[in-house]
Amino acid sequence: DQQVKQNSPSLSVQEGRISILNCDYTNSMFDYFLWYKKYPAEGPTFLISISSIKDKNEDGRFTVFLNKSAKHLSLHIVPSQPGDSAVYFCAASAQGDKLIFGTGTRLQVFP
Amino acid sequence: KAGVTQTPRYLIKTRGQQVTLSCSPISGHRSVSWYQQTPGQGLQFLFEYFSETQRNKGNFPGRFSGRQFSNSRSEMNVSTLELGDSALYLCASSLGPAGINNEQFFGPGTRLTVL
Repeated sequence: DQQVKQNSPSLSVQEGRISILNCDYTNSMFDYFLWYKKYPAEGPTFLISISSIKDKNEDGRFTVFLNKSAKHLSLHIVPSQPGDSAVYFCAASAQGDKLIFGTGTRLQVFP
Repeated sequence: KAGVTQTPRYLIKTRGQQVTLSCSPISGHRSVSWYQQTPGQGLQFLFEYFSETQRNKGNFPGRFSGRQFSNSRSEMNVSTLELGDSALYLCASSLGPAGINNEQFFGPGTRLTVL
């Protein structure tokens, strides 16, 4: 049972435009959400997180939105850069329990 | 500050064998978590160790085991290897128990191939 789903395995965006990566979850007990970025041959690196008491968190070009009623979160990257090309994982946890990861979305930013 | 290191980086084994993977966390980090990454499955949580105690465990068979030493280094063991165990095994360390306000830092992973 996949509690965290990333339904788009890949996304292609032109440089300078907005990238929107989506993530859906089923467990209403999740109270902490994170996004990780992974380059080939490297481990995932933390990007941004959001607590369930918020609906938006921003860090530079990256913004995460949380819609608790829809059990949906999204990561916006504006403007997209070629160096953003990577696999993005969303993850969630409930009250400090283990992180549950999605299957990842491969983002390609082309010139 | 050195990051999370994992050894070996690549490993080839045959079915039925056993394997031990090693993870050295960032200095001062006391929590180590292990994940299995396979295509289409994302990162699947295996287990987390904090201060030498298993704090959490995922839904993997008993063939998968781990331990943590007093210096926080961790090992993961897989016995009686199956073809489906071929995956990238990632470990992540954090200062405290993994979760809110305790960011996890990942190592580069060990690529295990079972023939």
